[in-house]
Amino acid sequence: KQEVTQIPAALSVPEGENLVLNCSFTDSAIYNLQWFRQDPGKGLTSLLLIQSSQREQTSGRLNASLDKSSGRSTLYIAASQPGDSATYLCAPYNQGGKLIFGQGTELSVKP
Amino acid sequence: DTEVTQTPKHLVMGMTNKKSLKCEQHMGHRAMYWYKQKAKKPPELMFVYSYEKLSINESVPSRFSPECPNSSLLNLHLHALQPEDSALYLCASSQDRGFYQETQYFGPGTRLLVL
Repeated sequence: KQEVTQIPAALSVPEGENLVLNCSFTDSAIYNLQWFRQDPGKGLTSLLLIQSSQREQTSGRLNASLDKSSGRSTLYIAASQPGDSATYLCAPYNQGGKLIFGQGTELSVKP
Repeated sequence: DTEVTQTPKHLVMGMTNKKSLKCEQHMGHRAMYWYKQKAKKPPELMFVYSYEKLSINESVPSRFSPECPNSSLLNLHLHALQPEDSALYLCASSQDRGFYQETQYFGPGTRLLVL
């Protein structure tokens, strides 16, 4: 059974800092992995999708990496802004045809 | 356009009521999903439809009844719910390549309160 762990559970940083969010998963037999953000009370917004054959994916100030063999993914946010404050969710897509979500990292970026 | 719409935004219902949640997408996606999310928890998958056929039911109680009338529309019919069913219900869609899946796009959710 796939288990997904995100560390840290919460993070508070001053504006402008670069930061890394970590995700680990127990079953490396995945097709891809998605990173989402969720604002309080809202739906999920897809940030990046990394295919299992890829090692990195970039979108603007975001960079996600994937090491399938070790069961790890990281989301790097450069030059953080208060608007980046949200919960970030990691979700590998496994061979059972499902996204399995981690518990999320709650990020607060202080002006 | 990568929009998934959900109605209503909020719903309050009694335990004897029957209500329905609606989800719509016009991206040509053939996979559609219902998730349930409790406060401070990640979404939990409930149902998956692939090409308008139910492909995954995560052992959801029968008081939740999904329906996919066409490739753009997904409904969730609710009957005799319990207070613990109060949650944010999220709909999502994606291209369906069989075992291979592309990005899932989520709607804003319906906030359900069962009294």
